[in-house]
Amino acid sequence: QVHLVESGGGVVQPGGSLRLSCVVSGFRFNNYAMHWVRQAPGKGLEWVAFIKYDGSNQYYADSVKGRFTISRDDSKNTLYLQMNSLRSEDTAVYYCARERTGYYPEYWGQGTLVTVSS
Amino acid sequence: DIQLTQSPSFLSASVGDRVTITCRASQGIGSYLAWYQQKAGKAPKLLIYAASTLQSGVPSRFSGSGSGTEFTLTISSLQPEDFATYYCQQLSSNPPWMFGLGTKVEIK
Repeated sequence: QVHLVESGGGVVQPGGSLRLSCVVSGFRFNNYAMHWVRQAPGKGLEWVAFIKYDGSNQYYADSVKGRFTISRDDSKNTLYLQMNSLRSEDTAVYYCARERTGYYPEYWGQGTLVTVSS
Repeated sequence: DIQLTQSPSFLSASVGDRVTITCRASQGIGSYLAWYQQKAGKAPKLLIYAASTLQSGVPSRFSGSGSGTEFTLTISSLQPEDFATYYCQQLSSNPPWMFGLGTKVEIK
């Protein structure tokens, strides 16, 4: 059974950093591309970042480019999102998601809340 | 970047109603469109991908159609468990892969 569990969220001051993790199970991690998607309180979904199955390519939303880095450790079945220079507008629930063929986010974690506030 | 315009943003409907939600892309995206359902406090659920392919386990009352710039999600007979917010997302060519702003379906 496919399972994704995010962690690492919390409260951080503006300008600070945080690293999110997404531990997966129930499938061969190194066969699949992965996404991060976020949702600000009371708002819609925002695609954040993507990494190919082999880590060869990473893509980012304009709003996080240069501040966030997506990476993966296949030996640990773990996806990461390193978030630097955090802003109040980065406050959101962050979801990791596994792709199905064609990159569509198919399986999602339960999300982890990041709050950027002084 | 390709923008998606989803309409309506809110609709009120009764159990048994046929419901249609539209998603328009700012430029052609072929059939690279997905639909998601999200209930309060939960992660989104993939309903439709490649514009019209029903995700495994999703009831057949959900259907998707369209290509190019105009797409629709149809629920043929609304059920109590279908009251939720629905989002479209385009995944054509290179990112960013935007979502629509969502359509909240509420009970009339």
